Amino acid sequence: EIQLQESGPGLVKPSQSLSLTCSVTGYTITSGYDWSWIRKFPGNKMEWMGYISNSGSTNYNPSLKIRISITRDTSKNQFFLQLNSVTTEDTATYYCARGMGAYWGQGVMVTVSS
Amino acid sequence: DVVMTQTPPSLSVAIGQSVSISCKSSQSLVYSDGKTYLHWLLQSPGQSPKLLIYQVSNLGSGVPDRFSGTGSQKDFTLKISRVEAEDLGVYYCVQATHFIFTFGSGTKLEIK
Repeated sequence: EIQLQESGPGLVKPSQSLSLTCSVTGYTITSGYDWSWIRKFPGNKMEWMGYISNSGSTNYNPSLKIRISITRDTSKNQFFLQLNSVTTEDTATYYCARGMGAYWGQGVMVTVSS
Repeated sequence: DVVMTQTPPSLSVAIGQSVSISCKSSQSLVYSDGKTYLHWLLQSPGQSPKLLIYQVSNLGSGVPDRFSGTGSQKDFTLKISRVEAEDLGVYYCVQATHFIFTFGSGTKLEIK
């Protein structure tokens, strides 16, 4: 069974960097598919942030492009999100997912606050 | 960006009723390969989103056939026949045809 699990700090100070890890079990991230980061803001708004493909190429939402980086560690079957210079507007629940929906992590709530 | 307009924002229905949710896109969602990458997700309370329908009309794994998706080009509908208590939550349409991928604003389904 494919499972994704996010991990990382739940509280980040403004202007600092947000770093999250997605650990994947049951499927090798280099075998196929794109591996996404998606966030849900307080309320219902969902935003696709970007993905890293099975080959290692990346695509980012242009609204985040100068702040976001998605990388991976294939030896650990993990991929990562780094979002720099965060503000309170980055407070959200962050999800990793395979592609655009078949498999999601449980989400990690991140609050940006001093 | 492709704008996904989802209506209604909320629904309150009795068990056993049928409901429909509309999703309209600002551009055609037919990709160059001929497929339409319009999906429907359900986020139940306290859970992560779950794929209900992919590519307009295909049921996700384990999804009951009370759920159905129809539509083409820019106009799509999710129908739930015989609503059950477990169907409550927030429904989203999402398009993965055009970069950047975009979501509808969500429809909150409540049970009367």
